[in-house]
Amino acid sequence: TQLLEQSPQFLSIQEGENLTVYCNSSSVFSSLQWYRQEPGEGPVLLVTVVTGGEVKKLKRLTFQFGDARKDSSLHITAAQPGDTGLYLCAPNFGNEKLTFGTGTRLTIIP
Amino acid sequence: DTGVSQNPRHKITKRGQNVTFRCDPISEHNRLYWYRQTLGQGPEFLTYFQNEAQLEKSRLLSDRFSAERPKGSFSTLEIQRTEQGDSAMYLCASSLFPGELFFGEGSRLTVL
Repeated sequence: TQLLEQSPQFLSIQEGENLTVYCNSSSVFSSLQWYRQEPGEGPVLLVTVVTGGEVKKLKRLTFQFGDARKDSSLHITAAQPGDTGLYLCAPNFGNEKLTFGTGTRLTIIP
Repeated sequence: DTGVSQNPRHKITKRGQNVTFRCDPISEHNRLYWYRQTLGQGPEFLTYFQNEAQLEKSRLLSDRFSAERPKGSFSTLEIQRTEQGDSAMYLCASSLFPGELFFGEGSRLTVL
């Protein structure tokens, strides 16, 4: 059984600050997706990382895939109120289904 | 709009009634997934189709739940004899490649 942990569970920061959220697994995964979900909506795919050590940038968001392929992080620079949402990581353990973490609920205070 | 479409968006029903949700995936996507999400949790996998074949079912999917994808296009998820514990958001997703899921807006079920 793969254990998946996202931290922190909740994060509330002021607009303009930087933040990092984490996704850790007890098992190696072949790839990982990050999603953002707003209340009452389905998750929206942000990025897929597939190579250990990979870093991907999406405007103010930087995604990193750990060298050991068991962890990932998402760093947001100069957070804006529009970044508010539930950030979910979803590692792929080599099968068709994605296993989602419980997410980090991020609130950006204007 | 060519995204994943789900309906109804909201359903309120009494315990013991049957409900059915429909999902229309992105047209060229051959993979279709159903997930369930309760408050404060991430989505939990229910079942997966490749074309019309149901290839995997979670143990969460009790005998009261059935999903179909008769022609490899739209899918339905039926819950029979609903219970209060079935109250959740039911999410459908489709994909062309393994792992990169595109979700619909979900169908929220409330069982009274």
